[in-house]
Amino acid sequence: AAGVIQSPRHLIKEKRETATLKCYPIPRHDTVYWYQQGPGQDPQFLISFYEKMQSDKGSIPDRFSAQQFSDYHSELNMSSLELGDSALYFCASSQPRVQQDTQYFGPGTRLTVL
Amino acid sequence: GQQLNQSPQSMFIQEGEDVSMNCTSSSIFNTWLWYKQEPGEGPVLLIALYKAGELTSNGRLTAQFGITRKDSFLNISASIPSDVGIYFCAGQLRQAGTALIFGKGTTLSVSS
Repeated sequence: AAGVIQSPRHLIKEKRETATLKCYPIPRHDTVYWYQQGPGQDPQFLISFYEKMQSDKGSIPDRFSAQQFSDYHSELNMSSLELGDSALYFCASSQPRVQQDTQYFGPGTRLTVL
Repeated sequence: GQQLNQSPQSMFIQEGEDVSMNCTSSSIFNTWLWYKQEPGEGPVLLIALYKAGELTSNGRLTAQFGITRKDSFLNISASIPSDVGIYFCAGQLRQAGTALIFGKGTTLSVSS
């Protein structure tokens, strides 16, 4: 079965640079979520979108922004990167009207800020 | 913020043993999910629970949504080496499209 696709899988940036992470949800899933996971930590919710509108917001820094496009894929834009932004970033998708809100996670993007 | 208390933090067991882990919270959840994560990979959904009292199995895994909606447990029977990983409970407080709150995880080690 098709899964959530994230790109790139690995990304290395310098401090103060920008980064864009992409997420392609499971086909027919209309809701996407972004989570950040630091080393040895549990995933922390950043933001989610349903039908291209923001549906929930968590501990997302003001330096980060995200959007969902008409084909339901989503992009997380990160600016003025800091060392502390180094983490695994996961996208999840769901189809709440059909399958309640079961969130399926992608393989993640490992961001390293030097 | 909201917290899920997951225990135990780690378990070291012999192959063939049964395992039990649980999550509790002071808040009422609409959904409980259990995920397994291996190093550097994304969480993989094991079991999803949507109703208080619901008991669901997936192979050797069994999970229950507590009657009070404030807790859940996951049991693994007859553990095997490939069960090694970090198990996370996750709960959803509000409607669809909103955040999952994760427990701190249970690290399972299985020796053969």
